[in-house]
Amino acid sequence: DGGITQSPKYLFRKEGQNVTLSCEQNLNHDAMYWYRQDPGQGLRLIYYSQIVNDFQKGDIAEGYSVSREKKESFPLTVTSAQKNPTAFYLCASSSKGGQGGTGELFFGEGSRLTVL
Amino acid sequence: DQQVKQNSPSLSVQEGRISILNCDYTNSMFDYFLWYKKYPAEGPTFLISISSIKDKNEDGRFTVFLNKSAKHLSLHIVPSQPGDSAVYFCAAAGNTPLVFGKGTRLSVIA
Repeated sequence: DGGITQSPKYLFRKEGQNVTLSCEQNLNHDAMYWYRQDPGQGLRLIYYSQIVNDFQKGDIAEGYSVSREKKESFPLTVTSAQKNPTAFYLCASSSKGGQGGTGELFFGEGSRLTVL
Repeated sequence: DQQVKQNSPSLSVQEGRISILNCDYTNSMFDYFLWYKKYPAEGPTFLISISSIKDKNEDGRFTVFLNKSAKHLSLHIVPSQPGDSAVYFCAAAGNTPLVFGKGTRLSVIA
């Protein structure tokens, strides 16, 4: 089945540690995205990538880093510089890079990160 | 500055009645609008969309209306069912990645 796989689903981290969230898609989509969801805040864009080896900052990129070495993979690292990392993280992909266009985003099931 | 606003955090509707969820936007460059449905601890799923060249799009029980002059769109669900209970996000696209509203939690009461 085609889709987006995020792992792990739940992750606990001690303060000061970096963690990496995995996102893999087999939809052959060019563009991939990371969003963060907080209660009452909706979905806020962290980073996005339109093509391999290229990515752009979203609205809340500080304290995060990404890489796009392969078309199907877009891992997100939450660094110790992120002041409030506890949140629900969503990865998405679309066939049109960088814009909604006529295609929608397809989302993974999400990863919940809790900082202890 | 919020470009996509959903001013009602929550909405309760009786089963069988119509649910109307509203969304306003400020960026006149947006030309495509989408609604997503989200259950707790899951990713959002696409529900319905509308291009700025249309004022209405219908898919089964779901209809989206767009009023470009007012920069307003609405999602109508009729008849509402208990399984429709979820958070609904409005999203808008132009030449940038999708911008989402904060969501409206819909509760359909049996």
